[in-house]
Amino acid sequence: GAVVSQHPSWVICKSGTSVKIECRSLDFQATTMFWYRQFPKQSLMLMATSNEGSKATYEQGVEKDKFLINHASLTLSTLTVTSAHPEDSSFYICSADQGGTEAFFGQGTRLTVV
Amino acid sequence: AQSVTQLDSHVSVSEGTPVLLRCNYSSSYSPSLFWYVQHPNKGLQLLLKYTSAATLVKGINGFEAEFKKSETSFHLTKPSAHMSDAAEYFCVVSYGGATNKLIFGTGTLLAVQP
Repeated sequence: GAVVSQHPSWVICKSGTSVKIECRSLDFQATTMFWYRQFPKQSLMLMATSNEGSKATYEQGVEKDKFLINHASLTLSTLTVTSAHPEDSSFYICSADQGGTEAFFGQGTRLTVV
Repeated sequence: AQSVTQLDSHVSVSEGTPVLLRCNYSSSYSPSLFWYVQHPNKGLQLLLKYTSAATLVKGINGFEAEFKKSETSFHLTKPSAHMSDAAEYFCVVSYGGATNKLIFGTGTLLAVQP
């Protein structure tokens, strides 16, 4: 199957700083990527849909100015958590659409804000 | 609104006994249905998927699921549990395109006792 690589796998940052998470499709081009967030003991919730060359579409309740998404190429989407706070600590995971019937997920990023 | 319900948050079985993880979905229109597994601190792995072909779907690691439209169910089964099956399982539904906006169930944590 197709491979999606997410980096970093874990990060610890200080409150008020920004963190960038990368999601790469390694062996296919992805016009659409998705960003999810998973809080402890909860399910994954879609945050936003990232479209190559255009603005991301955010789900209701997700602050677009706080979670900046850039999808500048067909193989890379980035999520930047700006001015991170402890409540942003979560597991962030991306998926990429190959245009078929399956979404391919990255390994996820565990963000801890201290 | 489209939704998916996993009826059990925790399931515990003994090694070698059958596994049943239950999932029901809302039936706005023809869904695509998936089961994903997540091991601790890992990304998501697709177990199997239903996309309007055969109603009995066989997946990896001996898992299978049956799409029952009359019951709006997509329960996951395995004849004999293995210790390595211990993980969190997510039932996922997609409408209007196989990879558009995946909606995750709340997850079922499967414990396998020796």
